[in-house]
Amino acid sequence: EVQLLESGGGLGQLGGSLRLSCAASGFTFKNYAMTWVRQAPGKGLDWVSLVTNAGDSTYYADSVKGRFTISRDNSKNTLYLQMNSLRDEDTAVYYCAKEYYGRFDPWGQGTLVTVSS
Amino acid sequence: EILMTQSPATLSVSPGETATLSCRASQSVSSSLAWYQQKPGQAPSLLIYGASTRATGIPARFSGSGSGTEFTLTISSLQSEDFAVYYCQQYNIWPQYTFGQGTKLEIK
Repeated sequence: EVQLLESGGGLGQLGGSLRLSCAASGFTFKNYAMTWVRQAPGKGLDWVSLVTNAGDSTYYADSVKGRFTISRDNSKNTLYLQMNSLRDEDTAVYYCAKEYYGRFDPWGQGTLVTVSS
Repeated sequence: EILMTQSPATLSVSPGETATLSCRASQSVSSSLAWYQQKPGQAPSLLIYGASTRATGIPARFSGSGSGTEFTLTISSLQSEDFAVYYCQQYNIWPQYTFGQGTKLEIK
């Protein structure tokens, strides 16, 4: 069974940093691009970032470019999101998902990031 | 950025009836369109991709149609478990993905 399990969420300071992780199992992790999508409380879905299967190319939404860094460790089947210079608007549930030809399937259960001053 | 607009924001339908949800793109996305279902407190799950192909395990009562800028998700013979929020997502411009704002399908 394909599973994705996020961790690392919690309370982050305004202007501070957090690092999210996503542990993958049940599929050949190194063969797939991976992505992060976030959902602010009571709001819709926003794509955040994507990393290619080898980790050699990364892409970001304009809202996080220059502040967030996506990476992966294929030896550990783990995806990461380093979040720096946190803003109020970064408060959201962050989901990781396996990307395949543009579609996201499956998704992890999500981890909540709350930015507070 | 391609803007995705879903309508209506909320749709009230009785169990057993058919629900029709719409998604419009600000420019053509060909058939690069997916639909997701999100139940309260859960992660989204893939329903439809390529505008009309059901994902693995998705019942036949879910169907997608459209191409270009106009898309429809139809759910026939609504079951209690179908009442949720539905999102469309375009992936025509890789990887600058965008989602619609969602349609909440509620019990009438």
